[in-house]
Amino acid sequence: EDQVTQSPEALRLQEGESSSLNCSYTVSGLRGLFWYRQDPGKGPEFLFTLYSAGEEKEKERLKATLTKKESFLHITAPKPEDSATYLCAVQAPSGNTGKLIFGQGTTLQVKP
Amino acid sequence: KAGVTQTPRYLIKTRGQQVTLSCSPISGHRSVSWYQQTPGQGLQFLFEYFSETQRNKGNFPGRFSGRQFSNSRSEMNVSTLELGDSALYLCASSLPLRGGPSNEQFFGPGTRLTVL
Repeated sequence: EDQVTQSPEALRLQEGESSSLNCSYTVSGLRGLFWYRQDPGKGPEFLFTLYSAGEEKEKERLKATLTKKESFLHITAPKPEDSATYLCAVQAPSGNTGKLIFGQGTTLQVKP
Repeated sequence: KAGVTQTPRYLIKTRGQQVTLSCSPISGHRSVSWYQQTPGQGLQFLFEYFSETQRNKGNFPGRFSGRQFSNSRSEMNVSTLELGDSALYLCASSLPLRGGPSNEQFFGPGTRLTVL
């Protein structure tokens, strides 16, 4: 069964304290892995798409990497405004579909 | 460029009623997917529409249905509401590559449905 697991569930950091979020997946043929950020009461905001092992994408203080079994979202010198829930999703491999399978998310809190 | 819009933003219904939610995708996007988000189950796929056709359906009962219009706008309907249907319903649109699998999905703000 296709599955996405994120860890940790929650993470508290001090401003400037770098860390990484993990997303492990089991799918029969990855067609795309996506990272989203979600603020309370809002829809997920697209961050990155990764398609193949070894691929990396960067945006401001965020960097996403991909291996054959997991993806990491590295946060460098985070600021309080980076506080949010970060969601990882994989595109379902079967058929011609846009179905995304999401992990439960990591809730990040950055304290000043 | 306007993002995905969803109406209404908030809705309160009672058990047994039915509800219709609306989603307008980003201009030019032809694929619309719907998700249910709850604290316990997270984000779960409901269904996807492309060119007015349902392309895939998640594991939800038949009370959940949807449709897409020729302008790509989509609606989802939930009949005979249950307390467990209380959730944030999210719509996402994407621009399929040459009619193939969707790539990045862009989400709307969601409709918060409360069933009493």
